Amino acid sequence: SQKIEQNSEALNIQEGKTATLTCNYTNYSPAYLQWYRQDPGRGPVFLLLIRENEKEKRKERLKVTFDTTLKQSLFHITASQPADSATYLCALDVFYGNNRLAFGKGNQVVVIP
Amino acid sequence: DTEVTQTPKHLVMGMTNKKSLKCEQHMGHRAMYWYKQKAKKPPELMFVYSYEKLSINESVPSRFSPECPNSSLLNLHLHALQPEDSALYLCASSQDRQVEGGYTFGSGTRLTVV
Repeated sequence: SQKIEQNSEALNIQEGKTATLTCNYTNYSPAYLQWYRQDPGRGPVFLLLIRENEKEKRKERLKVTFDTTLKQSLFHITASQPADSATYLCALDVFYGNNRLAFGKGNQVVVIP
Repeated sequence: DTEVTQTPKHLVMGMTNKKSLKCEQHMGHRAMYWYKQKAKKPPELMFVYSYEKLSINESVPSRFSPECPNSSLLNLHLHALQPEDSALYLCASSQDRQVEGGYTFGSGTRLTVV
């Protein structure tokens, strides 16, 4: 069956360090992978999209990598700040090019001042 | 306007009530979505509208009835819900098949069925 896996344990990290989150998937062949941030009681906020033919994408302090051989994406927050504390969700299009985005459970990040 | 607006923010309804959730966007997005999210779980896709036509129904029970009156509005009509339907209901929109901007989500409606 299809699965999107993110670490269920919260990541506690010191301010200024780099937080790295992992998203693994099985039995998918996504055209692209997206990362979202979600704060408690709010809707997800889009952060970055990376396509299957891209290895790496950056936006300000965020960096995403995509390895379709390993079926894995890494999400990095450099120089982390307390305001980065949130849950981060990865999402894949379930069927190539279709409007059917499936989400992983999310990984909570807590940045300690 | 770069927002998706959902109303109401909170809703408490009895199992025999009929209510509607509303969603509005003015970004010219032609794909709109309803997701359901339970606590500590990922959002789960319920319905997709593409160019105001229902394109995906993820085997959602008929007590949930979506409607897309025009390209800016999306409704979710609720009838005879069960307590297990209590959740955060999220509306989202996107450029149909042009996904660089990702999905734009509303803040959700927190629904409690009593």
